[in-house]
Amino acid sequence: DGGITQSPKYLFRKEGQNVTLSCEQNLNHDAMYWYRQDPGQGLRLIYYSQIVNDFQKGDIAEGYSVSREKKESFPLTVTSAQKNPTAFYLCASSTSNFYNEQFFGPGTRLTVL
Amino acid sequence: AQKVTQAQTEISVVEKEDVTLDCVYETRDTTYYLFWYKQPPSGELVFLIRRNSFDEQNEISGRYSWNFQKSTSSFNFTITASQVVDSAVYFCALSGRSTNAGKSTFGDGTTLTVKP
Repeated sequence: DGGITQSPKYLFRKEGQNVTLSCEQNLNHDAMYWYRQDPGQGLRLIYYSQIVNDFQKGDIAEGYSVSREKKESFPLTVTSAQKNPTAFYLCASSTSNFYNEQFFGPGTRLTVL
Repeated sequence: AQKVTQAQTEISVVEKEDVTLDCVYETRDTTYYLFWYKQPPSGELVFLIRRNSFDEQNEISGRYSWNFQKSTSSFNFTITASQVVDSAVYFCALSGRSTNAGKSTFGDGTTLTVKP
C-alpha cells in the first residue's frame, strides 16, 4: 500500500537535545512538507521540498533543519535552538502540481521534558 | 498572497443535526484549487474533496456536500445528519497557480464535536 510513514509515533527528549523525526513516502511524490501543530491550533509550515537536494523554509523554520537526499525521505531535525519544541509534527507529500491534494502521515508527537 | 479563514473555531452539535463549516478565501490567482481535509482524533489528516476555481457546481458525497461560491469567495462544507464519527478537526486549504507547486495555504481549522 502506498502512503507516508512517520516514526516514532511518540517521542520524548530531554531539553537541549537534538532529535530527528523520520518521514518516508512510497507515493513517488516530488514534493514533501513538514508541519507543526500545537493544541487547538492549525497547521504551520516548517519546511518544504519540491525536489531532491532542494528545500525551502516555511513560516516557522527557526530551530529546525531538514535534508532531502532521497526522493522518498524527508527527515526533520528539531534542534536545541527551537525554544518550544513540544508539539505534534505532521509530514505530507504531494505531486509538484498546485492542483493536487497533499497526503499526510500519522504524525509524531514530540514531548521535550 | 493567499489567505484562508475558518471563522468557526469550535462547533458542537447533537447527533443527526445538520452542520455547516464555513471557509472564506483570498487569492489573486484566477486559477486555483480549494480543498477540505478531516483530522480525526488519531491525528492524520485525510483528504475529502478538491474543487477548481472554474467549477462552481455543488458537490454531494453521501452525507457530505460542498457549496463553492466565487462571488463570496467561500467554499462551505455541510454535513447532513451528523454522526459521532464526524467529530474531528476540519481544515480548508487553498492552492493557487502562482504559489510554489503543491504548497497550500491552510485555514486554522474548525473543531466539530458531535454529541450522541
